[in-house]
Amino acid sequence: GENVEQHPSTLSVQEGDSAVIKCTYSDSASNYFPWYKQELGKRPQLIIDIRSNVGEKKDQRIAVTLNKTAKHFSLHITETQPEDSAVYFCALEDFGGFKTIFGAGTRLFVKA
Amino acid sequence: NAGVTQTPKFQVLKTGQSMTLQCAQDMNHEYMSWYRQDPGMGLRLIHYSVGAGITDQGEVPNGYNVSRSTTEDFPLRLLSAAPSQTSVYFCASQSIGELFFGEGSRLTVL
Repeated sequence: GENVEQHPSTLSVQEGDSAVIKCTYSDSASNYFPWYKQELGKRPQLIIDIRSNVGEKKDQRIAVTLNKTAKHFSLHITETQPEDSAVYFCALEDFGGFKTIFGAGTRLFVKA
Repeated sequence: NAGVTQTPKFQVLKTGQSMTLQCAQDMNHEYMSWYRQDPGMGLRLIHYSVGAGITDQGEVPNGYNVSRSTTEDFPLRLLSAAPSQTSVYFCASQSIGELFFGEGSRLTVL
């Protein structure tokens, strides 16, 4: 089945620095790549997504890039703030659109 | 709208007991799914449904049953609980790719 590898598992940055999380996948037929943020004790929530016909998408301080040839996509957070501290999950939707498969997650710590 | 509602929020079971985790959504989404979340392993898909009367297995279906008699409800059944099923369970409904999660159900099997 489809597999998503996410790195790093833990990331610690100073407030104001940038954070980058990378995911790789194996199924070249995947077309939808969302990112979810999960704060401590809360449910995961979508923060940004990208479809395969787009190479980059930006929403204020967060951006996602997609390289379909290399089968990897990345989340970029600029000017990090303490409230960015959370677990971030990359995911992809399988070709049929019925399954969303998640990476193992990255725990981001932003130090004030 | 309440979105996706899960009950119970917490449950402790003994090995071999059965129980049902309830999930309901009021967004009229056809697609619903169940995930379990374990430390270091992300969210793993247990079962999913693309509409009333249609269910299929995800990545880790063993030990769980589901049914979908209405668009709104998608219960998850544990027939004989095992300690390996100790986890946080999330129900989700989906619209145009985006998953809307419930608040989660923390299950402990002793």
